[in-house]
Amino acid sequence: KNQVEQSPQSLIILEGKNCTLQCNYTVSPFSNLRWYKQDTGRGPVSLTIMTFSENTKSNGRYTATLDADTKQSSLHITASQLSDSASYICVVSAWNNAGNMLTFGGGTRLMVKP
Amino acid sequence: NAGVMQNPRHLVRRRGQEARLRCSPMKGHSHVYWYRQLPEEGLKFMVYLQKENIIDESGMPKERFSAEFPKEGPSILRIQQVVRGDSAAYFCASSPPSSQGYRAGELFFGEGSRLTVL
Repeated sequence: KNQVEQSPQSLIILEGKNCTLQCNYTVSPFSNLRWYKQDTGRGPVSLTIMTFSENTKSNGRYTATLDADTKQSSLHITASQLSDSASYICVVSAWNNAGNMLTFGGGTRLMVKP
Repeated sequence: NAGVMQNPRHLVRRRGQEARLRCSPMKGHSHVYWYRQLPEEGLKFMVYLQKENIIDESGMPKERFSAEFPKEGPSILRIQQVVRGDSAAYFCASSPPSSQGYRAGELFFGEGSRLTVL
């Protein structure tokens, strides 16, 4: 069964600090992995998308890594800001004959405090 | 290029009424997904559709819920005889066809429709 596990479930950090969110997956056949940010009351917004051959991808203060061998990904947030307070969701995609099957992680709720 | 459009953004229904939620995918997108989100919880998959086809409805409750994505027009999530437990945010997402290569997996979300059942 395809699964995506995220940790920690929730995290509180002080403004300006760095943090790293983890995503472990067992999805086959792997197509790509994405990190989304969901602000309270809003729809998720894509931060990064990574394919099998990509190890690192950055989007401003967000850096995602992917280790396809160990089936792990991380999202590193540098110099956190209050606006980073949100849920961060890891989504892994697997294509089969039917189409694009997505498996969502449960998300990490990040709170950045002043 | 407009994003994924969902309407209504807010819907209030009394128990026993019907709720219809609409989702217009991004232009050129042929895959539509519906998710439900309860307060303080993650997104729960409901159904995955392509034009005129239901690909995966493993997350849909067996009764009262149905979804369609017709050849023309938006995708519709229909909830009959709503109950208080149906109160949630319902998110729609769309993605391009597989012909667009790896970006075919890129998923774009709407802002959601918030259903309140009184």
